[in-house]
Amino acid sequence: DTGVSQNPRHKITKRGQNVTFRCDPISEHNRLYWYRQTLGQGPEFLTYFQNEAQLEKSRLLSDRFSAERPKGSFSTLEIQRTEQGDSAMYLCASSRDRVDNEQFFGPGTRLTVL
Amino acid sequence: RKEVEQDPGPFNVPEGATVAFNCTYSNSASQSFFWYRQDCRKEPKLLMSVYSSGNEDGRFTAQLNRASQYISLLIRDSKLSDSATYLCVVYPGGGNKLTFGTGTQLKVEL
Repeated sequence: DTGVSQNPRHKITKRGQNVTFRCDPISEHNRLYWYRQTLGQGPEFLTYFQNEAQLEKSRLLSDRFSAERPKGSFSTLEIQRTEQGDSAMYLCASSRDRVDNEQFFGPGTRLTVL
Repeated sequence: RKEVEQDPGPFNVPEGATVAFNCTYSNSASQSFFWYRQDCRKEPKLLMSVYSSGNEDGRFTAQLNRASQYISLLIRDSKLSDSATYLCVVYPGGGNKLTFGTGTQLKVEL
C-alpha cells in the first residue's frame, strides 16, 4: 500500500496526558499537512511542512500542540496536557509540489480524551 | 461568512435519481477547487478536481462558476454506494492549506 499511513488509528487518553501521533506520507510527496476534524465539520488545517521545514501553522495550533518532520519523511504531532476539547479525528495529508495543491489523506487517528 | 459554504443535507434520494450539490466560496482569488468524498468515520478521498470548463467523470459532473464563486456536483443514476458526505474544497492560494466546507450528506435509498 503506497498511500498515507497514520498510527495509531485510535487513541483513548485521560485528560492531562500527552499523546503523540505519527504520519507516513506517500514516499515521493514532499509536502505534508495535519488537519483536525470534529463531528459534523469539515477538516480544519493545523500545520504544513515542506520537506523538514514547518512553513505554516494555524491559530488552532495552541502551544500545547507541536509537530515535527525531522528528516522530511514521516511526521509526528504531539499534544501535551490533553483536554476534552482535543477529542477529534486528526488527519494527515500529503502532496507533490503542484500548483493545484491536490492532497491525499491518511486514515486518521481518532483521539478520545476522557 | 464562512469561507466555503454547503447545505449540510441530508439529501435522501431513491436509487437511480439525479442529485445536485452546490457550494459557494468567499475568496475570489481562490486557485483550485475539488470535491472530496468522505464515508462515515473514514478519511476524505478525492472525488474530482473542478475546472472552469466543467468536467465529467462517469456519472459525476463538476462545474465551476468563478463570477458567482459557485461550485456544483451532479450525480446521475445514483447508486446505494454513493451514500456518503461530499466535501466542497477550495485552495485559496497564498499558502498551502485546503479549506473545506462542512460537507453535504447524501443517502441513496432503495
